[in-house]
Amino acid sequence: SAVISQKPSRDICQRGTSLTIQCQVDSQVTMMFWYRQQPGQSLTLIATANQGSEATYESGFVIDKFPISRPNLTFSTLTVSNMSPEDSSIYLCSVRGLGGYTFGSGTRLTVV
Amino acid sequence: DQQVKQNSPSLSVQEGRISILNCDYTNSMFDYFLWYKKYPAEGPTFLISISSIKDKNEDGRFTVFLNKSAKHLSLHIVPSQPGDSAVYFCAARGGSDKLIFGTGTRLQVFP
Repeated sequence: SAVISQKPSRDICQRGTSLTIQCQVDSQVTMMFWYRQQPGQSLTLIATANQGSEATYESGFVIDKFPISRPNLTFSTLTVSNMSPEDSSIYLCSVRGLGGYTFGSGTRLTVV
Repeated sequence: DQQVKQNSPSLSVQEGRISILNCDYTNSMFDYFLWYKKYPAEGPTFLISISSIKDKNEDGRFTVFLNKSAKHLSLHIVPSQPGDSAVYFCAARGGSDKLIFGTGTRLQVFP
């Protein structure tokens, strides 16, 4: 299965600022996804990152708040914009490749 | 609207015994189901999956059962080991290859 490198692994950010999370995959994959796991909650899909076009966002998530880029088949970024304490969560990159669905190790974000 | 539910937030099992984790879903269009294990500060790790055309899949100590008429699946771990202690998520594949996750069950295996 694909190996995912997700950076940073954790960060503490001031409210009102933005953080960009990177997801690098060791092989070309068809589908890339971004999830959020709020404290004590399940994994919630934010969006599907589409290569060369705008991401497809789930209900409750908007591009202005969570802009996503996917310039090629192995790399994607998620930006959490104008952060507030409610954005404190674990953010996870996931891919669907030949080996099935694989997840990165996550980015633990704390907004103060 | 929670399409995938795990009604037991926690489960405690003695080492060597069977652990049974349950999952219910509402959407009959789901065609593929997966189980993941998650440790703190790590991403989910894939355990086992099952297609909607099957009713059982086995891989070592892990067996997943699917009851389509009841919209219910379960994960059996036997024998349970202390290293199995983690949070377990079931997931269902819907349209556009998206996975929808359940709320998770925290399994604790004690000696």
